[in-house]
Amino acid sequence: AQSVTQLGSHVSVSEGALVLLRCNYSSSVPPYLFWYVQYPNQGLQLLLKYTSAATLVKGINGFEAEFKKSETSFHLTKPSAHMSDAAEYFCAVIYNFNKFYFGSGTKLNVKP
Amino acid sequence: DGGITQSPKYLFRKEGQNVTLSCEQNLNHDAMYWYRQDPGQGLRLIYYSQIVNDFQKGDIAEGYSVSREKKESFPLTVTSAQKNPTAFYLCASSKRGLAETQYFGPGTRLLVL
Repeated sequence: AQSVTQLGSHVSVSEGALVLLRCNYSSSVPPYLFWYVQYPNQGLQLLLKYTSAATLVKGINGFEAEFKKSETSFHLTKPSAHMSDAAEYFCAVIYNFNKFYFGSGTKLNVKP
Repeated sequence: DGGITQSPKYLFRKEGQNVTLSCEQNLNHDAMYWYRQDPGQGLRLIYYSQIVNDFQKGDIAEGYSVSREKKESFPLTVTSAQKNPTAFYLCASSKRGLAETQYFGPGTRLLVL
């Protein structure tokens, strides 16, 4: 069955450290891929999206993600974490333009 | 300012009661969506609408109903048939169809008395 998997429901990093949030999809056909961020008690905001153009996608707030077809992955990274990055991050996938799924989310904690 | 508004921010439901959550957008988007968010489960699609007067069930439509009489509005009714309604409900819209970026409202938290 088609789906999206986020490894690690909680990730904790120190301020200034690398952020790596993992997302894997399950399809032989490259889908559309998104990363959203959610701050407490708020809606989701789009960080970035992949739509079959460049494999390295740059988003807002210094985040970027790389589409790797061979690994069916779309991991989110940021070179240096900031306290304001603490939030929950969701990977989302659209298959065949008519089925989309959100991952279960990864909560990022940034330690001072 | 363009955006999506949801009201109320908090809503309380008594046993056996129907309640309606409001969602309005002024982005001139064709498509609108309702999601339910539970801790540790991400977002699950309840209903979506790609055009006025048309909507489709998502993955967890049982116990919910919607209408799309106006482009700007997509209210969600949580009926008494929904036995576990306590959750955070998010409304979203996109310019056209399902492959577009979705823009989210601030959410409504529904609690059962």
